[in-house]
Amino acid sequence: EDKVVQSPLSLVVHEGDTVTLNCSYEVTNFRSLLWYKQEKKAPTFLFMLTSSGIEKKSGRLSSILDKKELFSILNITATQTGDSAVYLCAVGGFSGAGSYQLTFGKGTKLSVIP
Amino acid sequence: DARVTQTPRHKVTEMGQEVTMRCQPILGHNTVFWYRQTMMQGLELLAYFRNRAPLDDSGMPKDRFSAEMPDATLATLKIQPSEPRDSAVYFCASGLRGGSNTEAFFGQGTRLTVV
Repeated sequence: EDKVVQSPLSLVVHEGDTVTLNCSYEVTNFRSLLWYKQEKKAPTFLFMLTSSGIEKKSGRLSSILDKKELFSILNITATQTGDSAVYLCAVGGFSGAGSYQLTFGKGTKLSVIP
Repeated sequence: DARVTQTPRHKVTEMGQEVTMRCQPILGHNTVFWYRQTMMQGLELLAYFRNRAPLDDSGMPKDRFSAEMPDATLATLKIQPSEPRDSAVYFCASGLRGGSNTEAFFGQGTRLTVV
């Protein structure tokens, strides 16, 4: 069974701190790893990673994938209160039945305090 | 601004009633996912369609849940009869499957409460 594990489950930091969120996975026929940010409503897409070692960057957020060790990290530098959210990691792969699936982790709840 | 649209946004119903949730995927997207999110389980995949055909609904309780795509602009998720344990937020997401990778863009969800 496909598995995505995120750590830590929750994190409280002060504005300006740098945080690293972790995502490890066991997925049949891995295709891609996606990061989402979920505030009060729907998850919003951040990054899709398919290749090892290539950093994706968007402003203060960056992410990298290690397909050998089966994990990804999401970094947020100079955190702001607006970064407070649940960050979800999802992995796309093919199930035993041959259909593509996106399997989500339980998320990391980040709280940034002023 | 293309987005996935879900209706209703909130639904409160009594146990035993039928519930129908609707989703309009982003125009041109050929992949639709239905997810259920609870505090305990997180996001669980219920069903997955590509080009309107159901490819995987193994995550869905078959006795009471059904998912369909009557046309490319509408996906439905029905629960009959509903039970209190079905209370959750149900998300629809759509994507465009190019090659072997699919991003999923989420709707705002339907918050279902079964009393």
